[in-house]
Amino acid sequence: ILNVEQSPQSLHVQEGDSTNFTCSFPSSNFYALHWYRWETAKSPEALFVMTLNGDEKKKGRISATLNTKEGYSYLYIKGSQPEDSATYLCACLDNAGNMLTFGGGTRLMVKP
Amino acid sequence: DTEVTQTPKHLVMGMTNKKSLKCEQHMGHRAMYWYKQKAKKPPELMFVYSYEKLSINESVPSRFSPECPNSSLLNLHLHALQPEDSALYLCASSLNSLGGETQYFGPGTRLLVL
Repeated sequence: ILNVEQSPQSLHVQEGDSTNFTCSFPSSNFYALHWYRWETAKSPEALFVMTLNGDEKKKGRISATLNTKEGYSYLYIKGSQPEDSATYLCACLDNAGNMLTFGGGTRLMVKP
Repeated sequence: DTEVTQTPKHLVMGMTNKKSLKCEQHMGHRAMYWYKQKAKKPPELMFVYSYEKLSINESVPSRFSPECPNSSLLNLHLHALQPEDSALYLCASSLNSLGGETQYFGPGTRLLVL
């Protein structure tokens, strides 16, 4: 079981602010990193799957980067909107198996 | 159709009851998963089915019994649960069980054991 950590645990921002948060994981035996967005009472929604060091992915105002050598990924949200309020989960997979280990999530609240 | 459905949405059961949770997907995915999520904790993997065969069982007590009748359906049979088993049970599916594939999640079944 991997040790996947996310920070901060929660974040309050004003509408229009840009924000970012971190997922850290063991860099040895890394295989893939997943980012999910989970709104209350809805299904977790896949945002990105990243595998290569230096990967950058973008979906609208949300982007993510991956550094497998130092064991971290950043998720960025540009110009936060109230509808971005959700818990953002990262999950990591090592090359030993096919079990995703989730971090504790970052709960983002965007105030109008 | 990129939806994973789960029924029921909510379930309350006594410790002597037998109940089943159901999960369905029609995306042609060959890997399906059960996760358990307690409040303020990350989802924890319970079981993985790959091509309708159980491939991972993360030391889950036998009072949880998974079943994959076909490639579209995944059940979780519950018997003699304990109050500490109260949690949100999430089902997910992916094209295959390789880690680079996106997992699509259902909305979960919120279970309360009295």
